[in-house]
Amino acid sequence: DADVTQTPRNRITKTGKRIMLECSQTKGHDRMYWYRQDPGLGLRLIYYSFDVKDINKGEISDGYSVSRQAQAKFSLSLESAIPNQTALYFCATSETSGSPYEQFFGPGTRLTVL
Amino acid sequence: SQQGEEDPQALSIQEGENATMNCSYKTSINNLQWYRQNSGRGLVHLILIRSNEREKHSGRLRVTLDTSKKSSSLLITASRAADTASYFCATDPGGSNYKLTFGKGTLLTVNP
Repeated sequence: DADVTQTPRNRITKTGKRIMLECSQTKGHDRMYWYRQDPGLGLRLIYYSFDVKDINKGEISDGYSVSRQAQAKFSLSLESAIPNQTALYFCATSETSGSPYEQFFGPGTRLTVL
Repeated sequence: SQQGEEDPQALSIQEGENATMNCSYKTSINNLQWYRQNSGRGLVHLILIRSNEREKHSGRLRVTLDTSKKSSSLLITASRAADTASYFCATDPGGSNYKLTFGKGTLLTVNP
């Protein structure tokens, strides 16, 4: 089984709808991240969490919210989806102890907002 | 805002040739990492080089880091069609507020 999983893998929704993207991990990592990827723009950080009680905004958090339900679960919500939120979304994890540390990515969720 | 900027944006080579990608960044770093992304899939970590290192090898990969020029290069030797992917550099500024900043990537195409 994959260490970092994302559901759904593909989603088409309409403008104004609320949508939740879910991420689960079995790596036992405390740190989790949400990124979005747009063609030609690389990855941009939306939110990150260093433990269940520590959630931080990234560079593009407007229009998004997150919930860290448990160490292993980190969800990203779009309260009212708009077309420019059409993108590929990735969840990632990393260790806490020791430094430096790589990030482990999920397979991504392709979101289309019509 | 992007910290790392890869160059070139796209690179097309023949199997067996070497591929070199460059990354420039703006602020001081603790380490720099390279990731690969196959089309539409999640990123996979390739190699990490610390700020006090100048060169690192892993299999067919060779990474260099020049902190005075704020630049890094990734060399893939004897490229294979399976190396076709996008390659991203990511910088880690260090400290307790750990997060990576990714560049826009280089799309490498290796033709059989």
